[in-house]
Amino acid sequence: EADIYQTPRYLVIGTGKKITLECSQTMGHDKMYWYQQDPGMELHLIHYSYGVNSTEKGDLSSESTVSRIRTEHFPLTLESARPSHTSQYLCASSEDRGNYGYTFGSGTRLTVV
Amino acid sequence: ILNVEQSPQSLHVQEGDSTNFTCSFPSSNFYALHWYRWETAKSPEALFVMTLNGDEKKKGRISATLNTKEGYSYLYIKGSQPEDSATYLCAFKHREGSQGNLIFGKGTKLSVKP
Repeated sequence: EADIYQTPRYLVIGTGKKITLECSQTMGHDKMYWYQQDPGMELHLIHYSYGVNSTEKGDLSSESTVSRIRTEHFPLTLESARPSHTSQYLCASSEDRGNYGYTFGSGTRLTVV
Repeated sequence: ILNVEQSPQSLHVQEGDSTNFTCSFPSSNFYALHWYRWETAKSPEALFVMTLNGDEKKKGRISATLNTKEGYSYLYIKGSQPEDSATYLCAFKHREGSQGNLIFGKGTKLSVKP
């Protein structure tokens, strides 16, 4: 049973559309993350949050934005989708203590045509 | 630029074979090393989080070792089964910089034939 939920699982959308990828977790974790993965490549951190009203950009530059208004919810938004945004997006959360693994969602596979 | 290298990129074994993969990471400013298993169409699942040099962890037929001085970790699977088929990711967390910064390797894709 998943404790972190991502929707949609797959999304095909036209260039210029605004999209929001949803991520929710039921574990009460303060730390949440968004990773992007292109085929055959590593997961790259694009955004993270330490708690409500806290958001930071990750190592990989991204045109997306995130918000953290509630502990359980960490949506990612693209204001104007482009074909270069085609990728897989994975959401994760973790406990505050550093010695625990991350819990990942199932991912959203985004295709911008 | 911090890099995590995993080898081999892919591996095909027969059921019952034992196998191992390597993860290489920077040896300076080490904080933790994570291993994840990622089955197709599922979420990555945490296998181990290792923090101390010489650490050895075991979960069923899967075990891992850690050498922080030379910057490598090995993942071993004893008696591979078809359900072990997955991509195995390692990720390195360094002491400096953001706490959220897990740096992932590209993974080793394991296929186990019945």
